[in-house]
Amino acid sequence: GIQVEQSPPDPILQEGANSTLRCNFSDSVNNLQWFHQNPWGQLINLFYIPSGTKQNGRLSATTVATERYSLLYISSSQTTDSGVYFCAVLGGKLIFGQGTELSVKP
Amino acid sequence: SAVISQKPSRDICQRGTSLTIQCQVDSQVTMMFWYRQQPGQSLTLIATANQGSEATYESGFVIDKFPISRPNLTFSTLTVSNMSPEDSSIYLCSVEVGTYTEAFFGQGTRLTVV
Repeated sequence: GIQVEQSPPDPILQEGANSTLRCNFSDSVNNLQWFHQNPWGQLINLFYIPSGTKQNGRLSATTVATERYSLLYISSSQTTDSGVYFCAVLGGKLIFGQGTELSVKP
Repeated sequence: SAVISQKPSRDICQRGTSLTIQCQVDSQVTMMFWYRQQPGQSLTLIATANQGSEATYESGFVIDKFPISRPNLTFSTLTVSNMSPEDSSIYLCSVEVGTYTEAFFGQGTRLTVV
């Protein structure tokens, strides 16, 4: 089956810094999504981005489907950005990466 | 998009008992999905629930342990049966909507078994 790997492992940032999270996947996919899991466990949809680039405020994402990776950019990070970020790809069923736990310190 | 109401949001249960989790969607959907997230882990698909047919379970999950109902196109339940501490997890329901099958999730149920 498709493998999804996220990096870096659990980055720690100072508030105001920028961060780039990466998602590599092992095969062609029909869909790629980024989620943020809040401390209460809820998954918040950030981007649906099977290809191309999208921006939403301080967040943007780029997927290069031909090279099988996606990037999530967080600019001017805030403490509320802390939490676990998941990418998930649709290859028959939705397959999640292992998650990246981002910590933003004040 | 889709709005999914999941309840309870959290519960603490005694071992050997069962808990039923409910998911209500604000629109009709063909398939609903149930996931488990063990502490510190990623999400794992438990089963896919279609209205009018038995749920399809992923490897490692069985109907006796996780019975699922899907009585109509907007509602589903997942029961965690005969619970043990190893069942302590976050359980989430999900739907996929739209032409491009974007997934949306309920708020999750944080289950602790003591």
